[in-house]
Amino acid sequence: DAKTTQPNSMESNEEEPVHLPCNHSTISGTDYIHWYRQLPSQGPEYVIHGLTSNVNNRMASLAIAEDRKSSTLILHRATLRDAAVYYCILRGIQGAQKLVFGQGTRLTINP
Amino acid sequence: DTAVSQTPKYLVTQMGNDKSIKCEQNLGHDTMYWYKQDSKKFLKIMFSYNNKELIINETVPNRFSPKSPDKAHLNLHINSLELGDSAVYFCASSQAIRGRTDTQYFGPGTRLTVL
Repeated sequence: DAKTTQPNSMESNEEEPVHLPCNHSTISGTDYIHWYRQLPSQGPEYVIHGLTSNVNNRMASLAIAEDRKSSTLILHRATLRDAAVYYCILRGIQGAQKLVFGQGTRLTINP
Repeated sequence: DTAVSQTPKYLVTQMGNDKSIKCEQNLGHDTMYWYKQDSKKFLKIMFSYNNKELIINETVPNRFSPKSPDKAHLNLHINSLELGDSAVYFCASSQAIRGRTDTQYFGPGTRLTVL
């Protein structure tokens, strides 16, 4: 699986938007970009995924660069409950059945 | 309704003992997984089963033996526990085995402490 690079930590304020970056310069044309998050003392949970186009769902938006070498997870109005470790994961044809977690970005939300 | 459940939530035991962790999913999924999260918080896959058949075995010591009695259950048995086995173990499930777009649903984790 291609590698992803994320900042170790980020901080934001409650009710403000948060942009979490992910670099994946070696992404292949068939790799999907997935985001999961892990709230404190819980198992990881799915956030969003995309291939080429930007994606929106109830939890977040995913903005994918035109060259697909980077992506940004956008939380439109962060709440305290969004404090978690966010993982950007690529899933290709080879090894698609497993999630390969990096170190993720620890997001802190200030009240 | 809990989608993926694990028991026990906490497990404290002595080195050398044998222990099991149970996992059940009520999502009707065909594929189940075990992941390990070590003290440095790195999450890594250990095993995957699809319809009771072992699909992934990621160079895990053979003291770890997964067992899937049916596709809703995937248990993890660990023999001769060692200090390094202390970790949080997460069970997960998904609908597809080779889908690049399927979602994995994780259980709450079992924190294993080996003394």
